[in-house]
Amino acid sequence: GENVEQHPSTLSVQEGDSAVIKCTYSDSASNYFPWYKQELGKGPQLIIDIRSNVGEKKDQRIAVTLNKTAKHFSLHITETQPEDSAVYFCAASEADGGFKTIFGAGTRLFVKA
Amino acid sequence: ETGVTQTPRHLVMGMTNKKSLKCEQHLGHNAMYWYKQSAKKPLELMFVYSLEERVENNSVPSRFSPECPNSSHLFLHLHTLQPEDSALYLCASSQDRGAPDTQYFGPGTRLTVL
Repeated sequence: GENVEQHPSTLSVQEGDSAVIKCTYSDSASNYFPWYKQELGKGPQLIIDIRSNVGEKKDQRIAVTLNKTAKHFSLHITETQPEDSAVYFCAASEADGGFKTIFGAGTRLFVKA
Repeated sequence: ETGVTQTPRHLVMGMTNKKSLKCEQHLGHNAMYWYKQSAKKPLELMFVYSLEERVENNSVPSRFSPECPNSSHLFLHLHTLQPEDSALYLCASSQDRGAPDTQYFGPGTRLTVL
């Protein structure tokens, strides 16, 4: 069945450094790729998303890149801050719509001050 | 912070108890979801309702019973649960039908089954 692999499972960076989280998906028909941030005691919150008609999208310190040929997409956080510490989830949705979004297992990011 | 609320936030129940989780969305969305979140595992989709009609049921055991009385409210009725059902149960909603769309999550209910 459809699958989303996410790496690494844990990432520790120094404040000010960049962090990169990578995901691969199996369903070539997927065309919507959201990223969620989950802080302790809260539900996942959307931080950025990308659709298959673009290769890159940026929002301040956060950017996402998509390689549809390789079925890879990545989250890039620059100038990391301690408040970026959280669990990040990538996800992929099937192009035929419906409601099924496949999530990665998550990356726990630690930003050390 | 979020237009999706869940109650209770924490629940401890025995295997013979019956309890219900409640979710309410204030976003005017048409679709609502129940997910199970266990440690170090991807989010598991349990149920989806669109316009109060169940459209997805991912082989969830019958001890979990969803109810969607209207497009703003979603319940998950629990009975005869097992310890392995302990997890964070997340509710989400989204706007459109039939297209990949952003899901907005509630804070979750942390369930412990003794």
